[in-house]
Amino acid sequence: LAKTTQPISMDSYEGQEVNITCSHNNIATNDYITWYQQFPSQGPRFIIQGYKTKVTNEVASLFIPADRKSSTLSLPRVSLSDTAVYYCLVGALNSGNTPLVFGKGTRLSVIA
Amino acid sequence: GAVVSQHPSRVICKSGTSVKIECRSLDFQATTMFWYRQFPKQSLMLMATSNEGSKATYEQGVEKDKFLINHASLTLSTLTVTSAHPEDSSFYICSARDRVWQFFGPGTRLTVL
Repeated sequence: LAKTTQPISMDSYEGQEVNITCSHNNIATNDYITWYQQFPSQGPRFIIQGYKTKVTNEVASLFIPADRKSSTLSLPRVSLSDTAVYYCLVGALNSGNTPLVFGKGTRLSVIA
Repeated sequence: GAVVSQHPSRVICKSGTSVKIECRSLDFQATTMFWYRQFPKQSLMLMATSNEGSKATYEQGVEKDKFLINHASLTLSTLTVTSAHPEDSSFYICSARDRVWQFFGPGTRLTVL
């Protein structure tokens, strides 16, 4: 399974755009990139998933360069409620018994 | 999206007792379920992988006799922490896989006194 590397922590003021970059140099051809958000004492919550280029949903955007060795999660205009840990994971769809493996994640603190 | 539930959401028990945590996939069948453990300020660590009707596969360092996993049906897996000790206090998260992806439960907070 590809390992991922993210910044341990980030701070941001409310209303700003936050970009969290994840490195996954050993990503496999059939791996997708998925980001999860986790609040204290809650399970991980799916944010966004992509394979290449750009994906956008109502919550975030995901930018993936052509070589797919990294990806950037972009959160527009963060609020205090976006304070959480964000995990970048890589893994294949239809991968049977292969579990998702979590790295250390990025602890985002949004300040008023 | 697919929904995974856990019960109970939190449990407090005395040292030496056993605790059972249930994980259910509510709207899909899960041939494979996973159990994770998360200590404060740390990431999720995979404990074991269970397949319906067969024995679970445990990660290195996880005692299979202490953490009993039963995946008796395509929608239910249980984790039993036997003879719990304070160091077993943690946040336990289950995850279930449908044919395409893996979905996570809300977690169970176990506190062993």
